[in-house]
Amino acid sequence: AQSVTQLDSQVPVFEEAPVELRCNYSSSVSVYLFWYVQYPNQGLQLLLKYLSGSTLVKGINGFEAEFNKSQTSFHLRKPSVHISDTAEYFCAVSERVNTGFQKLVFGTGTRLLVSP
Amino acid sequence: SAVISQKPSRDICQRGTSLTIQCQVDSQVTMMFWYRQQPGQSLTLIATANQGSEATYESGFVIDKFPISRPNLTFSTLTVSNMSPEDSSIYLCSVEVRGHEQFFGPGTRLTVL
Repeated sequence: AQSVTQLDSQVPVFEEAPVELRCNYSSSVSVYLFWYVQYPNQGLQLLLKYLSGSTLVKGINGFEAEFNKSQTSFHLRKPSVHISDTAEYFCAVSERVNTGFQKLVFGTGTRLLVSP
Repeated sequence: SAVISQKPSRDICQRGTSLTIQCQVDSQVTMMFWYRQQPGQSLTLIATANQGSEATYESGFVIDKFPISRPNLTFSTLTVSNMSPEDSSIYLCSVEVRGHEQFFGPGTRLTVL
């Protein structure tokens, strides 16, 4: 079974600074990778996804992520963060199960705290 | 994309009672998913609901505790039965759209006293 590791439970950063949120997954076979954001008291919103093709994926709100197959990583980056980026960020990998559908396996999440 | 609504948005319940959570999607979808997010934790898949067949439950989750209905392609319900304080969580439904991409509802925040 797949597993996803987000080593940083919390990342404090100052406004306008760059940030990287780390994500590693367990399998080296073909996978689909996702980053979701959860703002306080809200559901999950898809930031970006990697299905195939270019390893650099651009998402919403200025975020991007790079798929690195050899290191089984999918780190999320933003060159300059805003206060409004304060949220919980979840990395997820899609795993095909016996019944044929794809299920999402989530990491434990990283809380991004942006301060002035 | 898909617009997903959930009812109720939050509830406070007494132990031993049951709560049914509704999930409505604005388009027809094949697969609907139910997740649990315990306080300060990540999301864990409870079960997958495919219209016209019984739900498929993940390890650690059973139908007697979390019965699911999927009467049509736009609607599903999850019931949390015989609740205890350990069931206090956010329950989210999601749908798969365009293959491999899941959209989530706003969640139902449940507190069990």
